[in-house]
Amino acid sequence: DAKTTQPNSMESNEEEPVHLPCNHSTISGTDYIHWYRQLPSQGPEYVIHGLTSNVNNRMASLAIAEDRKSSTLILHRATLRDAAVYYCILRGVNNNDMRFGAGTRLTVKP
Amino acid sequence: GAVVSQHPSWVICKSGTSVKIECRSLDFQATTMFWYRQFPKQSLMLMATSNEGSKATYEQGVEKDKFLINHASLTLSTLTVTSAHPEDSSFYICSARTGNRGTEAFFGQGTRLTVV
Repeated sequence: DAKTTQPNSMESNEEEPVHLPCNHSTISGTDYIHWYRQLPSQGPEYVIHGLTSNVNNRMASLAIAEDRKSSTLILHRATLRDAAVYYCILRGVNNNDMRFGAGTRLTVKP
Repeated sequence: GAVVSQHPSWVICKSGTSVKIECRSLDFQATTMFWYRQFPKQSLMLMATSNEGSKATYEQGVEKDKFLINHASLTLSTLTVTSAHPEDSSFYICSARTGNRGTEAFFGQGTRLTVV
């Protein structure tokens, strides 16, 4: 499986934008980039996913580098409820399952 | 989005007993469900892939006789922890998908198992 690399932790101030990076230099052309987040004592929650083009939804935006070797999850205005562990995951054509890395623990300060 | 319900949310059991955890897809049919285990301060670790009507596929190092998985219908998968020991205490999470790699996965709220 292609691996992803994320910073262990990041901090943000409330109501400011947050950019969470993910490196995936070994990504293949058919891998989708998925982002999930996990709040304390809960199951993961889908955030966004994309293949090549940037994606927007009500939760976040996903910016994908032109060479697809990295991507950035953008929370436009962080709230205290956005404090969670954010996971960047690649899913390829032969990947029926979803495997998690260590993720980035986001702390939001009031 | 789609809803995956896990039951119970938490359970305490005695060593040597068995515990069953249910995972239901409430508003969609899931041909494949996944079971994860998560220890404190760690990431989710995939335990097994559960396919409706067939045997589950276990990850290396996961004992299939200890963690029994049944996926009898398109909306229900169960994980039974047999002869539980304190080291089995963990957060167990199930997941279900509606389609292939281009679609998102949906997760249950997790089950906190404590073996005393």
